[in-house]
Amino acid sequence: AQSVTQLGSHVSVSEGALVLLRCNYSSSVPPYLFWYVQYPNQGLQLLLKYTSAATLVKGINGFEAEFKKSETSFHLTKPSAHMRDAAEYFCAVRHNQAGTALIFGKGTTLSVSS
Amino acid sequence: DVKVTQSSRYLVKRTGEKVFLECVQDMDHENMFWYRQDPGLGLRLIYFSYDVKMKEKGDIPEGYSVSREKKERFSLILESASTNQTSMYLCASSQPGSRNSPLHFGNGTRLTVT
Repeated sequence: AQSVTQLGSHVSVSEGALVLLRCNYSSSVPPYLFWYVQYPNQGLQLLLKYTSAATLVKGINGFEAEFKKSETSFHLTKPSAHMRDAAEYFCAVRHNQAGTALIFGKGTTLSVSS
Repeated sequence: DVKVTQSSRYLVKRTGEKVFLECVQDMDHENMFWYRQDPGLGLRLIYFSYDVKMKEKGDIPEGYSVSREKKERFSLILESASTNQTSMYLCASSQPGSRNSPLHFGNGTRLTVT
């Protein structure tokens, strides 16, 4: 069965520090992978998606993710955190039995301190 | 920009009531989805629809039904609300045809069943 595992439900960094949010997936077919961000009291916003054209994917707000097939991972990074990056982040993989639906990880809450 | 609108941000209902959650999208998307979001569980797919009058069960359909009478509108129905259906409900839409089409989300409806 497909699944997405996000390691660490909470990650805390200082402003200016590297952000690393971990995501591992399980899929029996080549995966389509996504990262979404959710700010308080809002819906989910797409950060980036993996489309197989390149293993390093750049997204909005300075985030990027690298697809590593051998590790079944799609970790999200940002070189320098800002206070405005504080939010909840979700990794997702395309659902094999539900068209364009996604299967989501449980989420990682990012806190940024000054 | 795609706009997905959920008619209510907050709802409080009593146990046993019939509850309707409404969602409208303005981009002529054929695919629409209902998820529920719970702390520590991420987003879970309840139902989805490929087209008008079509519906498919997602991963957790028990206790829910849906209606899609018009392309732009997708309603989630709780036939007899129970306290374990207290949750954040998120509607989403996407274009079909491409496996890397992202989902576009509304801002969510926070339902409390007392």
